Amino acid sequence: DAKTTQPPSMDCAEGRAANLPCNHSTISGNEYVYWYRQIHSQGPQYIIHGLKNNETNEMASLIITEDRKSSTLILPHATLRDTAVYYCIAPNNNAGNMLTFGGGTRLMVKP
Amino acid sequence: GAGVSQSPSNKVTEKGKDVELRCDPISGHTALYWYRQSLGQGLEFLIYFQGNSAPDKSGLPSDRFSAERTGGSVSTLTIQRTQQEDSAVYLCASSKTSLGYEQYFGPGTRLTVT
Repeated sequence: DAKTTQPPSMDCAEGRAANLPCNHSTISGNEYVYWYRQIHSQGPQYIIHGLKNNETNEMASLIITEDRKSSTLILPHATLRDTAVYYCIAPNNNAGNMLTFGGGTRLMVKP
Repeated sequence: GAGVSQSPSNKVTEKGKDVELRCDPISGHTALYWYRQSLGQGLEFLIYFQGNSAPDKSGLPSDRFSAERTGGSVSTLTIQRTQQEDSAVYLCASSKTSLGYEQYFGPGTRLTVT
């Protein structure tokens, strides 16, 4: 898997956009960027993934830089329920499809 | 639609007993994964099923652990002669295909071995 680097923690005010950065400077051309989150005492939750185009779904937007060395997950209107650890991964397609999470970013949404 | 379900949600067992954990994947998902997560730790891969292919058991920590998937759907993870170090949250995930990493997780089974 390509190494990813995320800040260990971030705060965000409720109702504001949460922008979570991820560096993946060693990502190879066919490795996607995936985002998951894990709310306390729950299983991980898939959020979004992308290769090189920006992506948007009902949960979030994913902005990938043109050189693909970094990306940003955007939660447009963060709520208290978005408080969680967010994981950015760039798994190796040959690695057997099992997920491995690094430290992630602990996002605290505050009222 | 229905997500991945797991049962039981909590299991307390005595050291040396056997336990069975159950996973019902999302209907139509061909790939099924078992992971475990110890308190404050990351995901540890255990085993992976894809359709009718032989499972990838490379993550099972010892021969006390086994899993099966019947009819390409429900899976059970069995731990024989449980030890205290087996205490963890056991997570099941499923995905539509064996390609890609878009996996959907169940709520987990919290196993406590006393």
